Amino acid sequence: GAGVSQSPSNKVTEKGKDVELRCDPISGHTALYWYRQSLGQGLEFLIYFQGNSAPDKSGLPSDRFSAERTGGSVSTLTIQRTQQEDSAVYLCASSSPTSGSREQFFGPGTRLTVL
Amino acid sequence: KQEVTQIPAALSVPEGENLVLNCSFTDSAIYNLQWFRQDPGKGLTSLLLIQSSQREQTSGRLNASLDKSSGRSTLYIAASQPGDSATYLCAVGNYKLTFGKGTLLTVNP
Repeated sequence: GAGVSQSPSNKVTEKGKDVELRCDPISGHTALYWYRQSLGQGLEFLIYFQGNSAPDKSGLPSDRFSAERTGGSVSTLTIQRTQQEDSAVYLCASSSPTSGSREQFFGPGTRLTVL
Repeated sequence: KQEVTQIPAALSVPEGENLVLNCSFTDSAIYNLQWFRQDPGKGLTSLLLIQSSQREQTSGRLNASLDKSSGRSTLYIAASQPGDSATYLCAVGNYKLTFGKGTLLTVNP
């Protein structure tokens, strides 16, 4: 497809379970970003990838959160031992290396509900 | 720490009206300022991006301006339509965007 895709679109899990969220960036985009959108906090940066490396993971809220990117393309965000406060919409974005502007294009998000 | 504020939080206007959404930021050393639109239950759609060296950008009925010295940006929407109803978000940063809380716009037919 032409845009950023994310899966699943919705995920309901029980407290304490692990979840994996997937992001497919726009083809050719080397930069990839994860954000979280929650009612109380608005949109918050989580982590930034350039290729397969993550030069900035300062937004990950705890060591239960991790992310990886393979082949310079798909990325997965993993949340271990989920807590109710992890409930939010997780958004992924990508940007082009040839665009000096670093304009970010977002996917539709994954809505995570932790019961 | 960069902080981004958007005023008003909500705005309701009749169709056809011209309107202005405001965004302010505390640290003027920004790389980009990007305006997005978000429809309920959807992701973000990029509307306009202004690089730090630029003063404004235009796309169709939308015009965004940037005044780094005062830490402000405005998004001007001309001849508003009901389809413009959405939440408009302003974000500043380099690779790491800091977002405002958004302005919920309702355009009434």
